[in-house]
Amino acid sequence: DSGVTQTPKHLITATGQRVTLRCSPRSGDLSVYWYQQSLDQGLQFLIQYYNGEERAKGNILERFSAQQFPDLHSELNLSSLELGDSALYFCASSVGTLIRGINEQFFGPGTRLTVL
Amino acid sequence: TQLLEQSPQFLSIQEGENLTVYCNSSSVFSSLQWYRQEPGEGPVLLVTVVTGGEVKKLKRLTFQFGDARKDSSLHITAAQPGDTGLYLCAGGRDTGNQFYFGTGTSLTVIP
Repeated sequence: DSGVTQTPKHLITATGQRVTLRCSPRSGDLSVYWYQQSLDQGLQFLIQYYNGEERAKGNILERFSAQQFPDLHSELNLSSLELGDSALYFCASSVGTLIRGINEQFFGPGTRLTVL
Repeated sequence: TQLLEQSPQFLSIQEGENLTVYCNSSSVFSSLQWYRQEPGEGPVLLVTVVTGGEVKKLKRLTFQFGDARKDSSLHITAAQPGDTGLYLCAGGRDTGNQFYFGTGTSLTVIP
């Protein structure tokens, strides 16, 4: 158990819908990262927040957005869902941000999103 | 396009055999991490290497960072069924706040 929790574990929805994925970081961790893992694209970095502020953006679509709340939990919002958005979505947390590319991220168990 | 390419993509071996997984890039990284991911779970960090040529050992696992910091390898000696999983390399850079994950190697160790 990494100490990072994600809900829901599974989510099935239809194209065009909007969903919210939730992540609670490990106690004491200020950074939250969101990743998408699909069979054809592998593990792709989406976005990072540090203590409530956006710090880095990866391959995140405009239909996706995220935020980190004062209690440090984070939500990833996915809208106008398409079939291709079906994937595992992971949240990871770390104490701080990357320093010279070094940091230890602890991953949650993921949310499996299926878009029908 | 993935910055880090791993090979092989799939590997199925008998218990007790040795194996090597490669992680290659044309880009330089300031750090390289290896993760193992089991079905239904998130990746778990195995090791971080930061110096070109660095070698780290973790029981039967040996990790090496290339001299030019563009590639890395993971060698497993006497593989066991418990080693089964998806192995991911991830590179970090001096600038930016993200890791670039490799394409992954799915390892199955048959008892």
